[in-house]
Amino acid sequence: DIQMTQSPSTLSASVGDRVTITCRASQSVSSWLAWYQQKPGKAPKLLIYKASSLESGVPSRFSGSGSGTEFTLTVSSLQPDDFATYYCQQYNSYSPGLTFGGGTKVEIK
Amino acid sequence: EVQLLESGGGLVQPGGSLRLSCAASGFTFSSYAMSWVRQAPGKGLEWVSGISPGGGSTYYADSVKGRFTISRDNSKNTLCLQMNSLRAEDTAVYYCAKDRVAGTLFAASDMWGQGTMVTVSS
Repeated sequence: DIQMTQSPSTLSASVGDRVTITCRASQSVSSWLAWYQQKPGKAPKLLIYKASSLESGVPSRFSGSGSGTEFTLTVSSLQPDDFATYYCQQYNSYSPGLTFGGGTKVEIK
Repeated sequence: EVQLLESGGGLVQPGGSLRLSCAASGFTFSSYAMSWVRQAPGKGLEWVSGISPGGGSTYYADSVKGRFTISRDNSKNTLCLQMNSLRAEDTAVYYCAKDRVAGTLFAASDMWGQGTMVTVSS
């Protein structure tokens, strides 16, 4: 089974900060990795697919990088609307599931 | 407009059954793989099950294998999740989600429903 590990689990930051979240896979998932943003009481929203491709309509301050087993999501300048929980997900294979990372909550400092 | 609308959630006793439905509109349903993802109260996302565009291939998380069955009716644009032998740990909001890319088996999910709450308790 492919395990996905995100770090940190919680991150305190201020508006305007550059923020980086890491996601590590227990085995290679090539570039088949997505990032989602979720706000309380809402469904997740796709931000990044195929490790570094920006979903349509997502602000360009969001970017993704990495391949194989190590990936990062970067927000270049944190905005008030970006305080949320972020999840990575591998979709390289049903291993047996399209596993999610444990999540990273971005809080206001 | 692409829309996914889940229904069927509710309160059920341990050992009971529940059938969730997801009505899809605004896209060619039969061309996309679909998934169910759940989120226990205060917890992270857990992928539960996936089904290929034609319905011929199905996949399950180990935690639900043998108890849950995913299915789809492409003539009615509907995705279903039959949940049997429910346990307290199945308590969660259940989301249906659409794959981003048509015709593939594995893809990121670009559209999600609003979720339906399932509570397993006596």
